[in-house]
Amino acid sequence: QVTLKESGPALVKPTETLTLTCTFSGFSLNTGGMRVSWIRQPPGKALEWLARIDWDDDEFYSTSLETRLTISKDTSKNLVVLTLANLEPVDTATYFCARHPSSIGYFDYWGQGMLVTVSS
Amino acid sequence: DIQMTQSPSSLSASVGDRVTITCQATEDISNSLTWYQQKPGRAPKVLIDEASNLQTGVPSRFSGSGSGTDFALTISSLQPEDIGTYYCQQYADLWTFGQGTKVEIK
Repeated sequence: QVTLKESGPALVKPTETLTLTCTFSGFSLNTGGMRVSWIRQPPGKALEWLARIDWDDDEFYSTSLETRLTISKDTSKNLVVLTLANLEPVDTATYFCARHPSSIGYFDYWGQGMLVTVSS
Repeated sequence: DIQMTQSPSSLSASVGDRVTITCQATEDISNSLTWYQQKPGRAPKVLIDEASNLQTGVPSRFSGSGSGTDFALTISSLQPEDIGTYYCQQYADLWTFGQGTKVEIK
C-alpha cells in the first residue's frame, strides 16, 4: 500500500525558511524510474508544481521559484525534504507531496497535504 | 514555460446536464494532458490521462478529448457526486496546472 504524508511547521514567519518532510511507504526512491514531487495550493486557488527529485538524484524546479527551493531525499529513511527560503505571506498554502513513476505523466499517489501559514 | 488556460472558472448545471470544460496550452503538448477532480480538503484524483484515457474505476460519463493545444473534459450526464473542482495538467515539459473549474449543481 502506497502512502505519503507531509510534516513540518504549520506557522512560519516572513523571511524565514520553511522545511517540509514527505515520509512515504509502499515504494522506494531507489527503484529505477521513481520520482517524488512537491505541489502547493494557496487557499481557494489553483495547484502549483514546485519541485521534483528522481531515483537517480536528478532535481527539477519551478522556474518561478527555483532560486528559493531545494529538494533532497534520504532513501534509507524513505523521505523527501523540501526547503523554501525567504518566505512571504503569499507562500501560505497547502503543500502536497506526490509520487509519479516515470512511466506515467500524472501524480498517482498524493499525501493528505498540510497547510502552512506565513504570518508574523 | 507552458501555460494552461482553463475555462470556465466555474459553472452551475442541473443533474443530467452535459458539461464541458476546456483547457488550452500555450504550445503543442501532443496528448500529454491529465484531468483531475478535487473535492474540498482532499488531494486531487486522476480521472483521465493522455488526454482521453479513462482511469480504472472512473465512471464512463467522464471523457476527454483533444491533442496539441486544445483539450476538453466532458461529463455526459452530471451527477450530484461530481461536484468539485476540476484541473487540467500538462506534462510535456515539467508540470503545469490549469486554474481550475468549480462545478456546482443548480
